[in-house]
Amino acid sequence: AQSVAQPEDQVNVAEGNPLTVKCTYSVSGNPYLFWYVQYPNRGLQFLLKYITGDNLVKGSYGFEAEFNKSQTSFHLKKPSALVSDSALYFCAVRDIVDTGRRALTFGSGTRLQVQP
Amino acid sequence: GAGVSQSPSNKVTEKGKDVELRCDPISGHTALYWYRQSLGQGLEFLIYFQGNSAPDKSGLPSDRFSAERTGGSVSTLTIQRTQQEDSAVYLCASSLNGVGQGETQYFGPGTRLLVL
Repeated sequence: AQSVAQPEDQVNVAEGNPLTVKCTYSVSGNPYLFWYVQYPNRGLQFLLKYITGDNLVKGSYGFEAEFNKSQTSFHLKKPSALVSDSALYFCAVRDIVDTGRRALTFGSGTRLQVQP
Repeated sequence: GAGVSQSPSNKVTEKGKDVELRCDPISGHTALYWYRQSLGQGLEFLIYFQGNSAPDKSGLPSDRFSAERTGGSVSTLTIQRTQQEDSAVYLCASSLNGVGQGETQYFGPGTRLLVL
């Protein structure tokens, strides 16, 4: 079985400061990892994904995430937060081994609040 | 269209009535997914369609839920005899062919269902 944990319900950061949204995962094999963002009354927008290769993945809107296999983590980061980054962020995983399951397993979400 | 579209955007119904939710995937995408987003349960997988293969229905919560996909494109999620616990946002996603395990799923804006 696969699972994702986002330990923080909310993260508060001042505009211009770096931000980190945490994600840890559990899979039986190797993971495919995704980050999505959800703005109010909108669907999920894809930010970035890790499949293989370089552990540092760069995505949309200046976001990046680092895959750490030993810590089973895939934290989302941005060097300088914007007020417009305020939204709900979801980490998701798919297990490479579990080839029969195409669906993503999502974390519970982290609300990012960037203060001006 | 440019993205996944869903209709209606909002639906209010009375307990016991049937509802139909529609999803139009991105043109050319052969894989289609339904998820449910609710306060208590987070984001849950419901059902997955890939081409002409039998759908993966493993996430459907009860036999009141069903879905079909006609002509390999548009999908309809039907909830019979709705209950108050069915109130949630129903999200549809599509991906290119569902074969690549690292394939990105693109989400629609969702249908917000309220059962009174």
